[in-house]
Order: sequence, then C-alpha cells, then structure tokens
Amino acid sequence: DTAVSQTPKYLVTQMGNDKSIKCEQNLGHDTMYWYKQDSKKFLKIMFSYNNKELIINETVPNRFSPKSPDKAHLNLHINSLELGDSAVYFCASSSLAGGETQYFGPGTRLLVL
Amino acid sequence: DAKTTQPPSMDCAEGRAANLPCNHSTISGNEYVYWYRQIHSQGPQYIIHGLKNNETNEMASLIITEDRKSSTLILPHATLRDTAVYYCIVRPTFQGAQKLVFGQGTRLTINP
Repeated sequence: DTAVSQTPKYLVTQMGNDKSIKCEQNLGHDTMYWYKQDSKKFLKIMFSYNNKELIINETVPNRFSPKSPDKAHLNLHINSLELGDSAVYFCASSSLAGGETQYFGPGTRLLVL
Repeated sequence: DAKTTQPPSMDCAEGRAANLPCNHSTISGNEYVYWYRQIHSQGPQYIIHGLKNNETNEMASLIITEDRKSSTLILPHATLRDTAVYYCIVRPTFQGAQKLVFGQGTRLTINP
C-alpha cells in the first residue's frame, strides 16, 4: 500500500502552460505539505495545510496555488509555468498523534521547456 | 537556514557500522533532532528522531550528547542500499504543522 502518492511522476511541459500535481495520503494524517527540490538538491518547504486550512505559506510566487479538497488530498496548481519552476516537488503528511513526523511521497519531476 | 552542520560526504565499507555526525550547537531545549535520508531519485525517508535520550529502531540508532549540541546516527551493519544523502534536522517539539529545514546533508557511500 502506498502511504503518500503523487501524480504524475513525471511532467514535461512548455513555458506559459498551467499544470497541476496531485497528492494523496492514506495514513489518516491531518496535515499535508509541499516541498520543492531544485537542481542544486536543496529541499525547501512551500506550503502546509491542516484540515484543509493553509498553515504555512513560504515566499512562493502567486502562480503557485495549493488546494486541499479534503484531509487526504493536497494538490498544487501552477499557472504560467517558467523555466525556473523545473524541479522535483515532494508532498508529505503528518499527524498530531504521530508527533508530526513527516512522511514523504515519491516526488513529481517537473521539466519546463 | 539549517541549524545543523554535517560533513558533505563519507564512505563506509559494506557490513561495517556507519557513524554519521551532526553538529547542532544552537539547539534549544524544545527542539527534536530528526534524521531523514534520500536515496537517489526518491522522496526523503524518515529514519529516527530524539530529544534527549538515545534512541534505537529497526533502521538505526541515534546517540545525542548530554549537552545536546551534537548527535551521531549509527547504521549498525551498512549495506549497499544504505547509500544515500542523510539529513540531520532540528525541529520544534510544539504541536502543529512544522517546516523541516533541510541542509546539504551527508552523502554516504557504502562500498562493497
């Protein structure tokens, strides 16, 4: 069973397009996160949602908009894609009962041409 | 910025214990020490965490110094599959969503 899953695994698109990445967790967690890992391999948090409410919002361009339809899903929509958006995007989840230890998905590799 | 310092790379022979150090001299009393690893092209994998006491699980042991300014992650019998980048992270203990601040980590290579 996959605990934290992301779709798609790979995404290749043109500059200026709009795309979405989906994340689902079946761990029963109530907090979900998006992280970005750039070409230099630095992992940085972007957003966090708790029970569909935005909790953490780092300095991320407005072109990035997270959406949480329910506790088990956190999607990331990106408008007007730019070359610099090329990165690996990781979703993670945690729960209060689990001491907020975060468990990560396999990542979505986005390449903007 | 990450509050931890780790050596950029280490090597270890297969079957031997791998000891990965981490310096967190500015850690406060309400911060955990967490360890994650990232095997090539995969998502970060949780390994272990601790506050004051040493901890052990099926993956590794965590030794935290008495002053809590440094710690060592021990993989007792390293295998080739343990080759990865290992991240030491300090994280507040208070409840609620927390951002993990990843540094550069230690690239551990297990040699046959």
